[in-house]
Amino acid sequence: GQQLNQSPQSMFIQEGEDVSMNCTSSSIFNTWLWYKQEPGEGPVLLIALYKAGELTSNGRLTAQFGITRKDSFLNISASIPSDVGIYFCAVSSGNTPLVFGKGTRLSVIA
Amino acid sequence: DTGVSQDPRHKITKRGQNVTFRCDPISEHNRLYWYRQTLGQGPEFLTYFQNEAQLEKSRLLSDRFSAERPKGSFSTLEIQRTEQGDSAMYLCASSLSTDGYTFGSGTRLTVV
Repeated sequence: GQQLNQSPQSMFIQEGEDVSMNCTSSSIFNTWLWYKQEPGEGPVLLIALYKAGELTSNGRLTAQFGITRKDSFLNISASIPSDVGIYFCAVSSGNTPLVFGKGTRLSVIA
Repeated sequence: DTGVSQDPRHKITKRGQNVTFRCDPISEHNRLYWYRQTLGQGPEFLTYFQNEAQLEKSRLLSDRFSAERPKGSFSTLEIQRTEQGDSAMYLCASSLSTDGYTFGSGTRLTVV
Protein backbone atom coordinates (compact mmCIF):
# COMPACT_ATOMS: atom_id res chain seq x y z
CA GLY A 1 0.00 0.00 0.00
CA GLN A 2 0.89 3.65 -0.12
CA GLN A 3 3.56 4.72 2.38
CA LEU A 4 3.35 8.45 1.79
CA ASN A 5 0.97 11.06 3.18
CA GLN A 6 0.44 14.17 1.11
CA SER A 7 -1.33 17.23 2.45
CA PRO A 8 -3.48 18.98 1.75
CA GLN A 9 -5.52 16.63 -0.48
CA SER A 10 -6.79 19.60 -2.42
CA MET A 11 -6.53 23.36 -2.39
CA PHE A 12 -8.22 26.29 -4.09
CA ILE A 13 -6.17 29.47 -4.33
CA GLN A 14 -6.35 32.85 -5.99
CA GLU A 15 -4.03 33.57 -8.89
CA GLY A 16 -0.90 35.27 -7.58
CA GLU A 17 -0.94 33.52 -4.20
CA ASP A 18 1.87 31.32 -2.96
CA VAL A 19 1.23 27.61 -2.42
CA SER A 20 2.77 25.13 -0.03
CA MET A 21 2.23 21.39 0.11
CA ASN A 22 4.06 18.61 1.85
CA CYS A 23 4.72 14.92 1.88
CA THR A 24 5.63 12.74 4.85
CA SER A 25 6.63 9.15 5.33
CA SER A 26 7.06 6.82 8.27
CA SER A 27 10.14 5.37 6.57
CA ILE A 28 13.43 6.89 5.45
CA PHE A 29 13.96 7.38 1.73
CA ASN A 30 17.07 8.56 -0.10
CA THR A 31 15.39 10.14 -3.11
CA TRP A 32 12.39 12.47 -3.10
CA LEU A 33 10.78 13.65 -6.31
CA TRP A 34 7.92 15.98 -7.13
CA TYR A 35 5.75 15.40 -10.20
CA LYS A 36 2.84 17.30 -11.73
CA GLN A 37 0.05 15.59 -13.63
CA GLU A 38 -2.50 17.28 -15.86
CA PRO A 39 -5.75 15.63 -16.99
CA GLY A 40 -5.25 12.82 -19.49
CA GLU A 41 -1.47 12.96 -19.29
CA GLY A 42 1.30 11.16 -17.45
CA PRO A 43 3.15 12.78 -14.53
CA VAL A 44 5.94 15.20 -15.42
CA LEU A 45 9.02 15.52 -13.22
CA LEU A 46 9.37 18.95 -11.58
CA ILE A 47 12.16 18.62 -9.02
CA ALA A 48 14.42 15.81 -7.83
CA LEU A 49 16.06 15.80 -4.38
CA TYR A 50 18.89 13.44 -3.53
CA LYS A 51 20.48 14.86 -0.37
CA ALA A 52 18.93 15.37 3.08
CA GLY A 53 18.48 19.07 3.77
CA GLU A 54 18.79 19.94 0.08
CA LEU A 55 16.78 22.95 -1.12
CA THR A 56 16.26 23.12 -4.88
CA SER A 57 14.47 25.62 -7.08
CA ASN A 58 13.04 25.34 -10.57
CA GLY A 59 11.62 28.69 -11.63
CA ARG A 60 8.73 29.52 -9.30
CA LEU A 61 8.98 26.09 -7.65
CA THR A 62 11.08 25.35 -4.59
CA ALA A 63 11.36 21.99 -2.86
CA GLN A 64 13.25 20.77 0.17
CA PHE A 65 14.32 17.30 1.25
CA GLY A 66 13.84 17.06 5.02
CA ILE A 67 16.81 16.49 7.29
CA THR A 68 15.22 13.34 8.73
CA ARG A 69 14.75 11.97 5.17
CA LYS A 70 11.10 11.36 6.05
CA ASP A 71 9.52 14.45 4.54
CA SER A 72 9.62 17.05 1.80
CA PHE A 73 7.73 20.20 0.90
CA LEU A 74 7.00 21.91 -2.41
CA ASN A 75 6.30 25.63 -2.66
CA ILE A 76 4.94 27.44 -5.69
CA SER A 77 5.26 31.21 -5.69
CA ALA A 78 2.93 33.64 -7.46
CA SER A 79 0.60 30.97 -8.81
CA ILE A 80 -0.80 31.22 -12.34
CA PRO A 81 -3.71 29.37 -13.99
CA SER A 82 -1.41 26.85 -15.70
CA ASP A 83 -0.26 25.62 -12.28
CA VAL A 84 -3.56 23.72 -12.06
CA GLY A 85 -3.05 19.99 -11.76
CA ILE A 86 -2.26 17.22 -9.32
CA TYR A 87 1.10 17.31 -7.59
CA PHE A 88 2.60 14.00 -6.50
CA CYS A 89 5.57 13.28 -4.32
CA ALA A 90 7.45 10.07 -5.04
CA VAL A 91 10.21 8.33 -3.12
CA SER A 92 12.82 5.69 -3.64
CA SER A 93 15.70 4.07 -1.80
CA GLY A 94 18.58 2.83 -3.90
CA ASN A 95 17.28 0.94 -6.92
CA THR A 96 13.74 0.41 -5.69
CA PRO A 97 10.92 1.56 -7.99
CA LEU A 98 9.32 4.89 -7.15
CA VAL A 99 6.42 4.90 -4.69
CA PHE A 100 3.92 7.72 -5.18
CA GLY A 101 1.68 9.57 -2.77
CA LYS A 102 -2.01 10.18 -3.48
CA GLY A 103 -1.40 13.71 -4.65
CA THR A 104 -2.47 17.26 -3.89
CA ARG A 105 -5.02 18.65 -6.34
CA LEU A 106 -4.41 22.35 -7.00
CA SER A 107 -7.05 24.67 -8.43
CA VAL A 108 -6.23 28.28 -9.26
CA ILE A 109 -8.98 30.86 -9.42
CA ALA A 110 -8.23 33.68 -11.82
CA ASP B 1 14.06 12.11 -28.72
CA THR B 2 10.29 11.84 -28.90
CA GLY B 3 9.75 10.95 -25.24
CA VAL B 4 7.90 7.87 -24.03
CA SER B 5 5.17 6.76 -26.40
CA GLN B 6 2.19 4.60 -25.44
CA ASP B 7 -0.35 2.98 -27.70
CA PRO B 8 -3.30 2.99 -27.73
CA ARG B 9 -4.28 6.12 -25.76
CA HIS B 10 -7.72 4.69 -25.03
CA LYS B 11 -9.12 1.17 -25.07
CA ILE B 12 -12.66 0.03 -24.37
CA THR B 13 -13.10 -3.70 -24.06
CA LYS B 14 -15.73 -6.16 -22.96
CA ARG B 15 -15.21 -8.10 -19.78
CA GLY B 16 -13.41 -11.34 -20.48
CA GLN B 17 -11.51 -10.09 -23.51
CA ASN B 18 -7.72 -9.86 -23.69
CA VAL B 19 -5.97 -6.54 -24.28
CA THR B 20 -2.38 -5.61 -25.06
CA PHE B 21 -0.70 -2.24 -24.62
CA ARG B 22 2.58 -1.09 -26.08
CA CYS B 23 5.23 1.26 -24.69
CA ASP B 24 8.17 2.71 -26.58
CA PRO B 25 10.65 4.22 -24.10
CA ILE B 26 13.28 6.89 -24.66
CA SER B 27 15.85 5.06 -26.76
CA GLU B 28 18.88 5.41 -24.49
CA HIS B 29 16.97 4.51 -21.30
CA ASN B 30 17.71 1.02 -20.04
CA ARG B 31 14.93 0.86 -17.43
CA LEU B 32 11.25 0.59 -18.26
CA TYR B 33 8.39 0.64 -15.73
CA TRP B 34 4.68 -0.08 -15.79
CA TYR B 35 2.35 1.64 -13.33
CA ARG B 36 -1.41 1.63 -12.89
CA GLN B 37 -3.41 4.64 -11.77
CA THR B 38 -7.03 4.74 -10.70
CA LEU B 39 -9.13 7.83 -10.06
CA GLY B 40 -7.98 9.83 -7.06
CA GLN B 41 -4.87 7.75 -6.53
CA GLY B 42 -1.22 8.10 -7.35
CA PRO B 43 0.46 5.74 -9.79
CA GLU B 44 0.97 2.24 -8.35
CA PHE B 45 3.96 0.16 -9.41
CA LEU B 46 3.31 -2.99 -11.43
CA THR B 47 6.64 -4.18 -12.83
CA TYR B 48 9.94 -3.03 -14.28
CA PHE B 49 12.64 -4.12 -16.69
CA GLN B 50 16.32 -3.40 -16.89
CA ASN B 51 17.14 -3.98 -20.53
CA GLU B 52 15.22 -7.18 -21.38
CA ALA B 53 15.22 -8.63 -17.86
CA GLN B 54 12.07 -8.29 -15.76
CA LEU B 55 13.51 -7.52 -12.33
CA GLU B 56 10.52 -6.96 -10.09
CA LYS B 57 6.78 -7.58 -10.08
CA SER B 58 4.26 -6.10 -7.68
CA ARG B 59 1.61 -8.12 -5.85
CA LEU B 60 -0.84 -6.08 -7.94
CA LEU B 61 0.32 -7.98 -11.01
CA SER B 62 -2.02 -10.96 -10.94
CA ASP B 63 -1.55 -14.08 -13.08
CA ARG B 64 -3.75 -12.47 -15.73
CA PHE B 65 -1.14 -9.79 -16.33
CA SER B 66 2.05 -10.36 -18.28
CA ALA B 67 4.69 -7.94 -19.45
CA GLU B 68 7.52 -8.42 -21.91
CA ARG B 69 10.43 -6.43 -23.24
CA PRO B 70 11.87 -8.88 -25.73
CA LYS B 71 14.79 -6.92 -27.16
CA GLY B 72 15.30 -4.41 -24.39
CA SER B 73 13.54 -1.71 -26.37
CA PHE B 74 9.71 -1.51 -26.51
CA SER B 75 7.53 -3.33 -23.99
CA THR B 76 4.05 -4.83 -24.03
CA LEU B 77 1.62 -5.32 -21.16
CA GLU B 78 -1.10 -7.91 -21.72
CA ILE B 79 -4.17 -8.41 -19.56
CA GLN B 80 -6.04 -11.65 -20.10
CA ARG B 81 -9.72 -12.17 -19.26
CA THR B 82 -10.23 -8.55 -18.32
CA GLU B 83 -12.39 -7.66 -15.32
CA GLN B 84 -14.15 -4.39 -14.50
CA GLY B 85 -11.61 -3.80 -11.74
CA ASP B 86 -8.88 -3.61 -14.37
CA SER B 87 -10.30 -0.29 -15.58
CA ALA B 88 -7.54 2.26 -14.98
CA MET B 89 -4.85 4.36 -16.62
CA TYR B 90 -1.80 2.24 -17.42
CA LEU B 91 1.35 4.34 -17.39
CA CYS B 92 4.73 3.45 -18.79
CA ALA B 93 7.92 5.24 -17.78
CA SER B 94 11.58 4.91 -18.62
CA SER B 95 14.79 6.04 -16.97
CA LEU B 96 18.52 5.79 -17.17
CA SER B 97 19.45 3.85 -14.05
CA THR B 98 17.97 5.49 -10.95
CA ASP B 99 17.30 8.97 -12.39
CA GLY B 100 13.84 10.47 -12.33
CA TYR B 101 11.43 8.67 -14.60
CA THR B 102 9.94 10.06 -17.81
CA PHE B 103 6.32 8.98 -18.17
CA GLY B 104 4.25 8.46 -21.27
CA SER B 105 0.72 9.82 -21.63
CA GLY B 106 -0.77 6.50 -20.58
CA THR B 107 -3.37 4.08 -21.94
CA ARG B 108 -6.82 4.50 -20.43
CA LEU B 109 -8.57 1.12 -20.22
CA THR B 110 -12.30 0.85 -19.71
CA VAL B 111 -13.76 -2.62 -19.19
CA VAL B 112 -17.52 -2.78 -19.78
